[in-house]
Amino acid sequence: SQTIHQWPATLVQPVGSPLSLECTVEGTSNPNLYWYRQAAGRGLQLLFYSVGIGQISSEVPQNLSASRPQDRQFILSSKKLLLSDSGFYLCAWNPPTGGSPYEQYFGPGTRLTVT
Amino acid sequence: GQQLNQSPQSMFIQEGEDVSMNCTSSSIFNTWLWYKQDPGEGPVLLIALYKAGELTSNGRLTAQFGITRKDSFLNISASIPSDVGIYFCAGQGRGEGGSQGNLIFGKGTKLSVKP
Repeated sequence: SQTIHQWPATLVQPVGSPLSLECTVEGTSNPNLYWYRQAAGRGLQLLFYSVGIGQISSEVPQNLSASRPQDRQFILSSKKLLLSDSGFYLCAWNPPTGGSPYEQYFGPGTRLTVT
Repeated sequence: GQQLNQSPQSMFIQEGEDVSMNCTSSSIFNTWLWYKQDPGEGPVLLIALYKAGELTSNGRLTAQFGITRKDSFLNISASIPSDVGIYFCAGQGRGEGGSQGNLIFGKGTKLSVKP
């Protein structure tokens, strides 16, 4: 069966510091991967998605970036955090073809607080 | 862009009551999904709908894909305290290529149950 992991679970960082959040998926190959941000417990904003290694699409302009160095690894980064970057970051995956390609499965999330 | 209007935004109900929430859009969607999110956790997929008019149940949950393909509703029968959480609808966007798997999310319905 497939599982998705995110770490860290919580993070408190000062303004201007760098960020690296990691997401890994097990039990599947070549998944589509997604990064979302959720503010104040409501609404999911799609930040990035990836259909393969090294392929990243950005949905909104940010001071954030994403990378996919391996097939089942997705990383969200920032060189300098802003207060507005605080939120709950969710990683999700879905199968690329066949089966139920539109059903996205979410990780447990990372709670980021920028102080 | 495509948007989903989810209502109600929040609701308080008495344990044992039935609950109904819905999502509407001015755009046609080919897939409707319903998720539940518990506090501090990632959303969990409840029901997926792929055909207009489709009615699908998952335990006490029933969801329908509207015949016009522009709406969907979720019913919860005989609510219990563990039904508390935020319920999100999501529709498959009409993007091409890699973005074809992308989902558009409603802002959520926050359900609170009085024991």
